[in-house]
Amino acid sequence: GDSVTQMEGPVTLSEEAFLTINCTYTATGYPSLFWYVQYPGEGLQLLLKATKADDKGSNKGFEATYRKETTSFHLEKGSVQVSDSAVYFCALSNTGGFKTIFGAGTRLFVKA
Amino acid sequence: NAGVTQTPKFQVLKTGQSMTLQCAQDMNHNSMYWYRQDPGMGLRLIYYSASEGTTDKGEVPNGYNVSRLNKREFSLRLESAAPSQTSVYFCASSDVNEQFFGPGTRLTVL
Repeated sequence: GDSVTQMEGPVTLSEEAFLTINCTYTATGYPSLFWYVQYPGEGLQLLLKATKADDKGSNKGFEATYRKETTSFHLEKGSVQVSDSAVYFCALSNTGGFKTIFGAGTRLFVKA
Repeated sequence: NAGVTQTPKFQVLKTGQSMTLQCAQDMNHNSMYWYRQDPGMGLRLIYYSASEGTTDKGEVPNGYNVSRLNKREFSLRLESAAPSQTSVYFCASSDVNEQFFGPGTRLTVL
């Protein structure tokens, strides 16, 4: 079945460091790919998405490119801030927002 | 717009007690979901409802029941709580583009 694998955390960075969180997927067809973020004590919220190969999703300085040849959707940010400390979930869906499959999540700590 | 709301925020139960977690959305979405979140295991789908009047099992349905009361409301019931059901429970709804999550219910079963 479809699945998402993302790097284990926690990831600890200093402020202004470069961030990469790796995500690979297994899926039939051509799924949409997502990154969701969960801030402490809150539910998940959509950070960015891409719906077809070579699309780049971006939001709040984060970006990820849909790579079909490597089945990957790595999350990057050039300069992280303390306020980016959260848990990041990679996800996929073959049906838009319906029945999304989530990765295990990667916790990010950013130190001042 | 309140989005997705859940009650209660926190709950402590004793083994064998029952309770219902409530969820409501005001975005006119057809699809709604219940997930549980456990450390190191990400989100696991318990039940979902593709539309009003339908419900289906997800990955971990045992020990739970659901009711799609109307288009807005989707409740999750634990008939006889067990310590293994200690978790954070999230309700979500979706449109064609993304899922929208409630703030969660932290449940402890002693």
